[in-house]
Amino acid sequence: DTEVTQTPKHLVMGMTNKKSLKCEQHMGHRAMYWYKQKAKKPPELMFVYSYEKLSINESVPSRFSPECPNSSLLNLHLHALQPEDSALYLCASSQEISAGGQNEQFFGPGTRLTVL
Amino acid sequence: GENVEQHPSTLSVQEGDSAVIKCTYSDSASNYFPWYKQELGKGPQLIIDIRSNVGEKKDQRIAVTLNKTAKHFSLHITETQPEDSAVYFCAASTRGGGNKLTFGTGTQLKVEL
Repeated sequence: DTEVTQTPKHLVMGMTNKKSLKCEQHMGHRAMYWYKQKAKKPPELMFVYSYEKLSINESVPSRFSPECPNSSLLNLHLHALQPEDSALYLCASSQEISAGGQNEQFFGPGTRLTVL
Repeated sequence: GENVEQHPSTLSVQEGDSAVIKCTYSDSASNYFPWYKQELGKGPQLIIDIRSNVGEKKDQRIAVTLNKTAKHFSLHITETQPEDSAVYFCAASTRGGGNKLTFGTGTQLKVEL
């Protein structure tokens, strides 16, 4: 299995709602990532997990809360979002992060989020 | 931090022609350079990558070249086909940077019949 899956594909939520995005991979990768992508822009890194521990937080607002329950799963919990948070949220995974070099990142199809 | 510039922002070619997309990076410590293709409504797909210890890599119709001295790298697509139409992103990553990718701004490639 060489795929990163994400659910749901689309999500519409109000500013007072709480929702979660889910990501799963079964490639044995030990690093997982959340990116945010606005229309016609490149992906922007939000969080990096390495061996189920948060290793990078790119100064993301606390209304976004990541969670890595095990090596195959990555969640992004959403609460009190703003309309400007509407975007495509991408999950990616790679082999372990090491000082010796970079590993290929494989992306999922994304969740299209609309905040009303 | 790293900064990656990408040109052109849009590129239109006739089917069968070649397409070239160029990127420059700022951090001389960057040593990994992937290219991603993103079709409408989909996530980015890794199509080819190159590490700083080589100058060129080829995979069928796609090739990437790297000039470390000038700090630029390029994607070359030969014999373009309509299904090559997509947005292409270059990226750079730095040793010891936690596998963080810094992306270019993207190139919309359109292959016309």
